[in-house]
Amino acid sequence: EPEVTQTPSHQVTQMGQEVILRCVPISNHLYFYWYRQILGQKVEFLVSFYNNEISEKSEIFDDQFSVERPDGSNFTLKIRSTKLEDSAMYFCASSDVRAAGTGGEQYFGPGTRLTVT
Amino acid sequence: KQEVTQIPAALSVPEGENLVLNCSFTDSAIYNLQWFRQDPGKGLTSLLLIQSSQREQTSGRLNASLDKSSGRSTLYIAASQPGDSATYLCAGRDNYGQNFVFGPGTRLSVLP
Repeated sequence: EPEVTQTPSHQVTQMGQEVILRCVPISNHLYFYWYRQILGQKVEFLVSFYNNEISEKSEIFDDQFSVERPDGSNFTLKIRSTKLEDSAMYFCASSDVRAAGTGGEQYFGPGTRLTVT
Repeated sequence: KQEVTQIPAALSVPEGENLVLNCSFTDSAIYNLQWFRQDPGKGLTSLLLIQSSQREQTSGRLNASLDKSSGRSTLYIAASQPGDSATYLCAGRDNYGQNFVFGPGTRLSVLP
C-alpha cells in the first residue's frame, strides 16, 4: 500500500542552524502539507502546497520556514535558523485532491522528530 | 476560526466493551472531518473521513458520525481490543481553508 515517507526519523541540531526535513508523498497525490506537534500538544498546521506554490500557511509559518518540491517526488521543509521552540515532531501529509473535495483524505508520514539544543 | 475539542481526554475500558469518543467543533461550516489514530511517538494513521454531505462512515469495528448542526462527531469502537489502545484525534476542515484543525485527542487504554 502506498505510504508517505519521511527522513530523517530524528534530527538533532544546534540553535541557529539550518535544517531540511524531507518527505516523499504518495506518488499520484497533488496536495502536500506540513504539520507539527510539540510534545504533549495538538497537531498544528504549517503549510499546504499545490502546483508548485504555497496555497495556504499558518501564523507559525514565518520567514524562517520555506517549502520546496525540488523534483517530482520529494517535498521539503527548511527551517533557516532553528530556535529551541522549533523542537517538535514534524509531519508531512499528502492528498490526491484538495482536502475539501470528494475524497481528500490526508495521509500522514511517520514524522521527523526535531530536537534543537 | 475553527476550534476542535475532544472529550474525554483519557479513557480506560476493559476489553470487549463498546465505546464512544466525542469530538466537537465550533464552526458548523465544516467541510469534512477525519479521525486518526496515533500510537506513542508515532505518526498519524487515518481511520475514517466524513464529508459534510455524509452522516456517517464505517470501517470494520469503527463507525464515525457527523452532526453539523450540533457541531459534533463521534467515533464508535465496537468490541474493543487491547490493540485499540492509542490516542484518537479528530480533525475538521472548514470551507475557508485547506488545513485540518486538530483536537487534542483522547487517550484510550483497553485493558486485557
